[in-house]
Amino acid sequence: DQQVKQNSPSLSVQEGRISILNCDYTNSMFDYFLWYKKYPAEGPTFLISISSIKDKNEDGRFTVFLNKSAKHLSLHIVPSQPGDSAVYFCAASAGSNYQLIWGAGTKLIIKP
Amino acid sequence: ETGVTQTPRHLVMGMTNKKSLKCEQHLGHNAMYWYKQSAKKPLELMFVYNFKEQTENNSVPSRFSPECPNSSHLFLHLHTLQPEDSALYLCASSQGGTYDSYEQYFGPGTRLTVT
Repeated sequence: DQQVKQNSPSLSVQEGRISILNCDYTNSMFDYFLWYKKYPAEGPTFLISISSIKDKNEDGRFTVFLNKSAKHLSLHIVPSQPGDSAVYFCAASAGSNYQLIWGAGTKLIIKP
Repeated sequence: ETGVTQTPRHLVMGMTNKKSLKCEQHLGHNAMYWYKQSAKKPLELMFVYNFKEQTENNSVPSRFSPECPNSSHLFLHLHTLQPEDSALYLCASSQGGTYDSYEQYFGPGTRLTVT
C-alpha cells in the first residue's frame, strides 16, 4: 500500500504558465515533506521542502503548499520554463527517522 | 554534480555473473542508501547505512549484498540476479547521525540490465 501517492503520471503545461503538481499521503505521522526533480540519466536532485508546522514554503519560482487536514501537498512552479521539464517526486518522512517514503513521480512537460 | 558518484553507469550482466556497484560521496555525510527504481514505480529503499552500520534492510533478496567499508564508500554486490532485477540503482547520502536532516543527495545511478 503506497503511503505517498502522485496520481498524475504526467502533466503538460504551456511555457510561462503555472505548473501544479500534487501529492497525497496516508500516514498522519509524516512531518516533513520534500520535492525532488529528476532528469533522464541523472539521479533525483532536491528542490524544496516543508515541515508540517508550516503550510507554505517558497523558494524563487517554486512554492510548496501543505494541507495537513487533507493530507495533501502541492508544488507550484511559476512561471514554468522549458528547463522545468523533468520527473518530479514527492517524498515524506516521519519523526527523526531520516528515511524517506517516495511517490511514483509525475512527468512534467513544458510546451514552448 | 551532487558530490555523489556511482560506477559503472551502465551494466549488462548474465544471470550467473557476479558484479559490484560502487558509490562514493564527497560530502562528509554519515548515512548512505541504496535505492532501486523501476519504471513508473516509487523509489524502493533497499539498504541504509548510518556511520557504517546497516540500519535497514527492506526485505531485499540475498542475491543483493551491500558493503560499507567507511562513511564515504558503499558497494552493492550482485550475484545470480534475475531479469526482473533490471532497473536503475541509485545511491544517496545524507547527514544522518543525530541530525534531523532529511535531504538526500543522489548519484546518477547505474542502469542495470540482467539478461
